[in-house]
Order: sequence, then structure tokens, then C-alpha cells
Amino acid sequence: NAGVTQTPKFQVLKTGQSMTLQCAQDMNHNSMYWYRQDPGMGLRLIYYSASEGTTDKGEVPNGYNVSRLNKREFSLRLESAAPSQTSVYFCASAGSGNEQFFGPGTRLTVL
Amino acid sequence: GENVEQHPSTLSVQEGDSAVIKCTYSDSASNYFPWYKQELGKRPQLIIDIRSNVGEKKDQRIAVTLNKTAKHFSLHITETQPEDSAVYFCAAGGNTGRRALTFGSGTRLQVQP
Repeated sequence: NAGVTQTPKFQVLKTGQSMTLQCAQDMNHNSMYWYRQDPGMGLRLIYYSASEGTTDKGEVPNGYNVSRLNKREFSLRLESAAPSQTSVYFCASAGSGNEQFFGPGTRLTVL
Repeated sequence: GENVEQHPSTLSVQEGDSAVIKCTYSDSASNYFPWYKQELGKRPQLIIDIRSNVGEKKDQRIAVTLNKTAKHFSLHITETQPEDSAVYFCAAGGNTGRRALTFGSGTRLQVQP
């Protein structure tokens, strides 16, 4: 079991470029989440998908879009990256009891 | 929406001492309260959780207490060791994945050998 995997691990973008962060889980979890973590700060929810076919905004959704491709995969897209989106992005998944398991993170720098 | 406040933001203890981190939440509908440990450069990892039908839960050197009336919950670490040094996050939310978690801002715990 790989658990939750994320690609890429690191990415550098220029302002205005777009990219998609990929997340996959092999634990047959229904719910998946995208968070961002800024230096010295907690985890802020960007978007989540409580079940396949549904997505909902979290605390900081502006500038992002998501796609729940199937039960395993949940992607996060930045259409036009801004320096304020420099952060570490974590994907997580949860089963029926809401215990969330996190991926290794993507460290994104926007110049 | 839910609001979670966590204190203190930093905590330094001597090896062998106890450490206590406290969180308060605002939404009385929250009924699931996990704690995560995050080492430098690593992902958050679930260390213990408690649901609203219990008041206390223990796992070896760590314990969590919940006071639903006062809307606060705490993490207790006894006999601290240098490897306990990390950032700890509390969170509050629903019992199922349909209701997302809200995280506290974190406590940096340093255990001095």
C-alpha cells in the first residue's frame, strides 16, 4: 500500500503559468482534500471532495480549481499562478471515520 | 464555520517533563477531534483522536481530553523525549469525511535533552 501519493514533489513556476498537482490514494477512501501550508502556519483547506462526483470549496479556494477524476484521484489546478500561491500543498484522504492521511506534499514556488 | 484556536504557539520542556497543548473550537456540531504531529519537512501524521462520546483517550505516553460543554480539548504528553520535538496540530470537524476538518495554527514543541 502506497497510501497517498502526490506529484510533483517540487515545482517552480513563473507568474501567470498554469499547472496541475496530482494526488492519488489506494486506501479506497471516499473523501479527499487539498490543503496549503505556509511557513510557520497551519493547514488551510482549499477544496475537498466528500465523495466521488462532488467537490466543495474550503477556506481559501480563490485561484484554484479541482477535479475528482475517480475514487482514487483528486487533482488541483492553478490556472494563472501568483507569488501568493507559493506554499507547500498537501493532499489527504479519509475513510468513513474521518481519520485523514496525508501525502508527502508538493513544494511550489511562484516567481 | 468552525474556528479552532490552539495554545501555546511554542512550548519548551525538559526531557522527562510533561507537555500540555490546548485547543478550543466554536461549532457545537463538531464531534471529531484529531491531533497531528509534523516533523520538519514531513507530512502531518495522526497520533491520536477522540470522538464526542468519550471524555478521555490514552495511548502509551499521549492522552487527549475533551470537554464538550466548554468546547475545548487538550493533548497531554508525559515523560517527553527529544524525538517528541515537532509541531503539533489539533483539528475539529465531523465524524465522517463529509464534514471537513478545521486545523489549529500549531504548537512547536521542543524537548531539551
